[in-house]
Amino acid sequence: GAGVSQSPSNKVTEKGKDVELRCDPISGHTALYWYRQSLGQGLEFLIYFQGNSAPDKSGLPSDRFSAERTGGSVSTLTIQRTQQEDSAVYLCASSFGMQETQYFGPGTRLLVL
Amino acid sequence: EDQVTQSPEALRLQEGESSSLNCSYTVSGLRGLFWYRQDPGKGPEFLFTLYSAGEEKEKERLKATLTKKESFLHITAPKPEDSATYLCAVQAVSRGYNKLIFGAGTRLAVHP
Repeated sequence: GAGVSQSPSNKVTEKGKDVELRCDPISGHTALYWYRQSLGQGLEFLIYFQGNSAPDKSGLPSDRFSAERTGGSVSTLTIQRTQQEDSAVYLCASSFGMQETQYFGPGTRLLVL
Repeated sequence: EDQVTQSPEALRLQEGESSSLNCSYTVSGLRGLFWYRQDPGKGPEFLFTLYSAGEEKEKERLKATLTKKESFLHITAPKPEDSATYLCAVQAVSRGYNKLIFGAGTRLAVHP
């Protein structure tokens, strides 16, 4: 079946602009996760959704970052007033349940100029 | 503090030269240890999950093993297409079951 999809695949923006990143999880997966992968660093957890609720937002680096999930499916990660340090690959993953294996999408490569 | 450390950072092998990658972890209450493969410009691809010490999983030329403090990913007679970054991650009770804590990865290059 179809895997996790993310859009756009690449995004170049100017410092101070807002960006929205989209994630479509695997059909039937109730849990959805956002991670960030900066150059030369490991994957960093951002936020976790179970259904439409986000019980764990502990990884969001600042209040400029927010995420929502509608209909228990698609999720959007929004970064307001982007900074150069926000440049990274943003990865989305989904799993059948909270404790199950997470499957990753291809990522969105964000470059803030 | 929960921590995952992978070694070596980079590994260069000749085709057919077997080796092992290491993932050591300190975590309160391991729920599962995961291995992923990541190719340049792509998202991590799931390989294995290990749940308890002594457990082993195999897939083609790869075998993953788990002890109470570390996991190994053994690569037998590697081929150039095995070149990738291999990521280890743990899912820990102390952090809730939901998030994975990743190591920095091992970059593997297999040359013909």
